[in-house]
Amino acid sequence: EAGVAQSPRYKIIEKRQSVAFWCNPISGHATLYWYQQILGQGPKLLIQFQNNGVVDDSQLPKDRFSAERLKGVDSTLKIQPAKLEDSAVYLCASSLGLGSGTQYFGPGTRLLVL
Amino acid sequence: DAKTTQPPSMDCAEGRAANLPCNHSTISGNEYVYWYRQIHSQGPQYIIHGLKNNETNEMASLIITEDRKSSTLILPHATLRDTAVYYCIVRVYNAGNMLTFGGGTRLMVKP
Repeated sequence: EAGVAQSPRYKIIEKRQSVAFWCNPISGHATLYWYQQILGQGPKLLIQFQNNGVVDDSQLPKDRFSAERLKGVDSTLKIQPAKLEDSAVYLCASSLGLGSGTQYFGPGTRLLVL
Repeated sequence: DAKTTQPPSMDCAEGRAANLPCNHSTISGNEYVYWYRQIHSQGPQYIIHGLKNNETNEMASLIITEDRKSSTLILPHATLRDTAVYYCIVRVYNAGNMLTFGGGTRLMVKP
């Protein structure tokens, strides 16, 4: 069974530029999560989708971050414009459903904002 | 979700059992204890979860105290590949809420 796929693995941009991350969850997983992990800290949830609907985006900085999962499968997370403090690893995870505490994580995208 | 407290770091000798403690003194009756680990440069990986009974799988054992205020994750024969950050999380089962990660315990397995 293929795991959660993410791309790119690494990205370096300058502040005020825009960037997008892509995630393909495990086939059949209805719930998809985006986490931000700053160096030395645990992952922090940004947004949670159930199929193509947003379940929780309370931690998403909506003035600069956006995410979509239009067809209920792949998802894209965008930052525009990026700030220095956005430097982090962005992790995508999926699970069978909302009730499952077992989440499967991708390898993450490491973003460096200069 | 109830909060958890873990030691920031621990060492373990290769081949020995690694016992990782977690305090969750404010845990509610319907909250489960989950353990994840994160190996360097990888995403977190699910290990095990439990409510009040001890649990064992191919990766580890989970021992939960009778009052459920603390638990211990046991890696019976630690290897160098078990070097990782281990996260203890409490969560209501079958609810829509997210996993809330704390700082975790950085386990270093030494030869």
